[in-house]
Amino acid sequence: EAGVAQSPRYKIIEKRQSVAFWCNPISGHATLYWYQQILGQGPKLLIQFQNNGVVDDSQLPKDRFSAERLKGVDSTLKIQPAKLEDSAVYLCASSFQGGNEKLFFGSGTQLSVL
Amino acid sequence: KQEVTQIPAALSVPEGENLVLNCSFTDSAIYNLQWFRQDPGKGLTSLLLIQSSQREQTSGRLNASLDKSSGRSTLYIAASQPGDSATYLCAVYGGSQGNLIFGKGTKLSVKP
Repeated sequence: EAGVAQSPRYKIIEKRQSVAFWCNPISGHATLYWYQQILGQGPKLLIQFQNNGVVDDSQLPKDRFSAERLKGVDSTLKIQPAKLEDSAVYLCASSFQGGNEKLFFGSGTQLSVL
Repeated sequence: KQEVTQIPAALSVPEGENLVLNCSFTDSAIYNLQWFRQDPGKGLTSLLLIQSSQREQTSGRLNASLDKSSGRSTLYIAASQPGDSATYLCAVYGGSQGNLIFGKGTKLSVKP
């Protein structure tokens, strides 16, 4: 079974530039999550999708972050404009139905904002 | 607001030792607790998931226990190996927040 795919693996940008991350969840998984993990911290949920609808985006900085999940499969997370404090690993995860199940994570995208 | 704490932050042990990692959480109204492993530069791998009605889960050399009333969980690793070196994260689902809340992790180093 293929795992959660993410790209790119690494991205270096300057502040005020824009960046986009892509995620393809495990086939058949209805729930998709984007997490932000700052060095030395645990992952923090940015947004949760159930199929192509948003379940929770309460911690997403909506003035600069946006995410979409078209057709309930792939998802993209965008930052525009980036700030220095956005430097982190962005992890995508999926589960079959929701939070009361095991989550499967991708390898993440390491973002450095200079 | 749910808070998850993991102690110790780092641990170094010689190969072959049995060890215990600790996790505590402030809101006992959880649905489940998961233990994850994270290798450097990699994503997280779910090791064990304990539902709120369960007391423990076992997988190979790993055993996780849950005491919901006291807000504590432990991950027991038997006969540790250098390949067990990684960061171990605890996460709870439920409580006052309807999403997975993570601790900061325990960085484990097993020396040959």
